[in-house]
Amino acid sequence: AQSVTQLDSHVSVSEGTPVLLRCNYSSSYSPSLFWYVQHPNKGLQLLLKYTSAATLVKGINGFEAEFKKSETSFHLTKPSAHMSDAAEYFCVVSLSGGYNKLIFGAGTRLAVHP
Amino acid sequence: GAVVSQHPSWVICKSGTSVKIECRSLDFQATTMFWYRQFPKQSLMLMATSNEGSKATYEQGVEKDKFLINHASLTLSTLTVTSAHPEDSSFYICSARDGTSGGHTYNEQFFGPGTRLTVL
Repeated sequence: AQSVTQLDSHVSVSEGTPVLLRCNYSSSYSPSLFWYVQHPNKGLQLLLKYTSAATLVKGINGFEAEFKKSETSFHLTKPSAHMSDAAEYFCVVSLSGGYNKLIFGAGTRLAVHP
Repeated sequence: GAVVSQHPSWVICKSGTSVKIECRSLDFQATTMFWYRQFPKQSLMLMATSNEGSKATYEQGVEKDKFLINHASLTLSTLTVTSAHPEDSSFYICSARDGTSGGHTYNEQFFGPGTRLTVL
């Protein structure tokens, strides 16, 4: 069965420092993996997706994630945090690949301090 | 492009009444729509999957008679919370999958902004 674990419920960084949000997955199939961001009172926005192409995936707003099969990880990174990055981030795995049923991680709340 | 809207954005109702939430894909045809529920400070939980013109498929533990889903067209799905109770208070989010365009957004899920339901 597919599942996803976000290892940190809260992450706090200073503006201009790197961001690392950790995600591990469990999947019986070759998974499709996503990172979504949720700002308060706004809909979820897709940051990036991995669908069995390049293992290093670049997304919007300077975010990227690396799919590591040996570690079953899909950590999200950004070299330099911006105040506007403060939000809730969800790591998501798709059942049976593609964009079918999505299983969400518990979420990581990112705080960015001046 | 690929915008999904929800209406209303928030609703307050009395216990025992029914509430209908609409989810619309504004610029693409959504062959599949999904309904999620999100409790405060928690993740999204899939409630049901609906394909246009057919009955919704509910996740285990979701009462289909309480959460009525209709997906009568390729751009509209509705979720009706029947006989709502305070424990139904939550943030309801829909997503729509672009199943027909064949373009770069083909098969991707796009999320609505959510509807906050408060049952008194």
